[in-house]
Amino acid sequence: QVQLVESGGALVKPGGSLRLSCAASGFTFTDYYMTWIRQAPGKGLEWVSYISSTTIYTNYADSVKGRFTISRDNAKNSLYLQLDSLRLEDTAVYYCARLITGDGGYLDSWGRGTLVTVSS
Amino acid sequence: QSVLTQPPSASGTPGQRVTISCSGSSSNIGINTVNWYQHLPGTAPKLLIYYNDQRPSGVPDRFSASKSGTSASLAISGLQSEDEADYYCATWVDSLNGWMFGGGTRLTVL
Repeated sequence: QVQLVESGGALVKPGGSLRLSCAASGFTFTDYYMTWIRQAPGKGLEWVSYISSTTIYTNYADSVKGRFTISRDNAKNSLYLQLDSLRLEDTAVYYCARLITGDGGYLDSWGRGTLVTVSS
Repeated sequence: QSVLTQPPSASGTPGQRVTISCSGSSSNIGINTVNWYQHLPGTAPKLLIYYNDQRPSGVPDRFSASKSGTSASLAISGLQSEDEADYYCATWVDSLNGWMFGGGTRLTVL
């Protein structure tokens, strides 16, 4: 079955950097777009970024544009999110999810998330 | 503040039917499909409904949804204690080239 496992979350100071990983299994990773979604404490879900299956297309929410970078290694069935210039408001659980494209698309499988805490 | 508006809370007793609304605009729900997700804190969010009213395999038919104009709604019939969770609507937003989620509705089973 589809399995997505995030890792890399940690406590980091404002201005710091972190790299999150998402290990995918149970499906042909190269066939799918992937996304990152986050949830700040006490808040709702917020879309962060997506990447196409061949990495040609990426996009970011305005709140992270220029600071976060999404990437993937199809040989390793892995998705990544590089978080730079971290701010207090980036504190959240970060989820990776598989994207089904077409007619708006939807996220059909999610991981359990990894916690990023930005604090001095 | 989300562009998709959901009530912050909803409640019902076991066996009841509850509905959760999601209000958008002509630039989001009005022109794109709506998806619904169920999230129990500490777990992976789960896809409940896609393309406005389609249920993935494994989702009970107690869950149904519809869309009309710039609004959508999720209905849960035969409410069960295990349905207590947060529910989010979401849609693609062309101007963002990305997704927008509603603020979420916390469902309490009394």
